[in-house]
Amino acid sequence: NAGVMQNPRHLVRRRGQEARLRCSPMKGHSHVYWYRQLPEEGLKFMVYLQKENIIDESGMPKERFSAEFPKEGPSILRIQQVVRGDSAAYFCASSPQSQVTYGYTFGSGTRLTVV
Amino acid sequence: SQELEQSPQSLIVQEGKNLTINCTSSKTLYGLYWYKQKYGEGLIFLMMLQKGGEEKSHEKITAKLDEKKQQSSLHITASQPSHAGIYLCGARGGSQGNLIFGKGTKLSVKP
Repeated sequence: NAGVMQNPRHLVRRRGQEARLRCSPMKGHSHVYWYRQLPEEGLKFMVYLQKENIIDESGMPKERFSAEFPKEGPSILRIQQVVRGDSAAYFCASSPQSQVTYGYTFGSGTRLTVV
Repeated sequence: SQELEQSPQSLIVQEGKNLTINCTSSKTLYGLYWYKQKYGEGLIFLMMLQKGGEEKSHEKITAKLDEKKQQSSLHITASQPSHAGIYLCGARGGSQGNLIFGKGTKLSVKP
């Protein structure tokens, strides 16, 4: 049973380009969470999705960032017109149910570098 | 909003020594999660504590939850180089199930 798969592991984008980060949850998990980790800072919650629904996006920046989790396929975190401040590690986690009873399973992350 | 403060921020110990990492919450804790992160990698779930006074152990790592103090501690006995990494505590930050995290404690173990 594969864990949470994120790709790419590393992504380099020029300022103004778009970044697409993918997350395939563990088999049987229908809840996905995205977190961002900036250098020297902790993990910050961004968005929580269930299949085809955004449950909580209170941590998402208001502009340029969007997330989806379609019925088929991975969850996508999309950053439009990237800026240097978007450089960070982006982690995805999944769980089998809404209440975090057993702890999330995290992916290995995507490290985004904006040049 | 709830905040988690971890102490110390970083720690260097000699192999074989014991150590403790603390996590203090600004609000009542409804479950506390400990994760370990190695540089450049994702988070590995260590354990979860739900009830005040609860204590769990996994190999040489023991975690306790003091609900009254809104605090949890992680204790490593006879540390080894494999214990090196960043230890993060997390707690339920909202009604929807997302976790908030402390900034982490960076542990280095000298052989």
